[in-house]
Amino acid sequence: AQSVTQLGSHVSVSEGALVLLRCNYSSSVPPYLFWYVQYPNQGLQLLLKYTSAATLVKGINGFEAEFKKSETSFHLTKPSAHMSDAAEYFCAVRTGAAGNKLTFGGGTRVLVKP
Amino acid sequence: KAGVTQTPRYLIKTRGQQVTLSCSPISGHRSVSWYQQTPGQGLQFLFEYFSETQRNKGNFPGRFSGRQFSNSRSEMNVSTLELGDSALYLCASSPSVGGGETQYFGPGTRLLVL
Repeated sequence: AQSVTQLGSHVSVSEGALVLLRCNYSSSVPPYLFWYVQYPNQGLQLLLKYTSAATLVKGINGFEAEFKKSETSFHLTKPSAHMSDAAEYFCAVRTGAAGNKLTFGGGTRVLVKP
Repeated sequence: KAGVTQTPRYLIKTRGQQVTLSCSPISGHRSVSWYQQTPGQGLQFLFEYFSETQRNKGNFPGRFSGRQFSNSRSEMNVSTLELGDSALYLCASSPSVGGGETQYFGPGTRLLVL
């Protein structure tokens, strides 16, 4: 069975500062990894995904994530936070045997201070 | 293309009633998955359908059921509602199953059980 741990349920960053959201996964087989963002009263929007191609994945809105197999991590970063980045972010894992079932982490809510 | 649509967006029911939620996937998508989101339990997988067949089911009681129609539209039903069923129910669609397929989420149906 796979699982996902997101370190820190809340993160506060200043506008223009680095955003770093941590995600560690557990999977007995090669995983597919995803980062989604959720704005208030909305569904989930895909930021980026890792599907065993390049380990450094670039997504929308300036976000990127690096897959590190040795550390079982898939941390999300953005060099310079913008006020519009305030939202909740979810890391998710899926394995080939699980069909389309996504297992999500607990989420990290990002607050951006002016 | 139109995104995933869910109806209704908001719903208020009382304990013991039943409810049916609807999801229309993106045109051409044949896989539909359902998730429950609550503050306490986070995002949890309910079930997944592909070509009218349930492929995967999460750890929810039998009161939760679903189906998919030949046009890929899906419904989920919750019978004998309990207070704990209050949640945001999210539907996601993808073209097929497995691999690196992206799941596209709808805006959700927010259910309040009184």
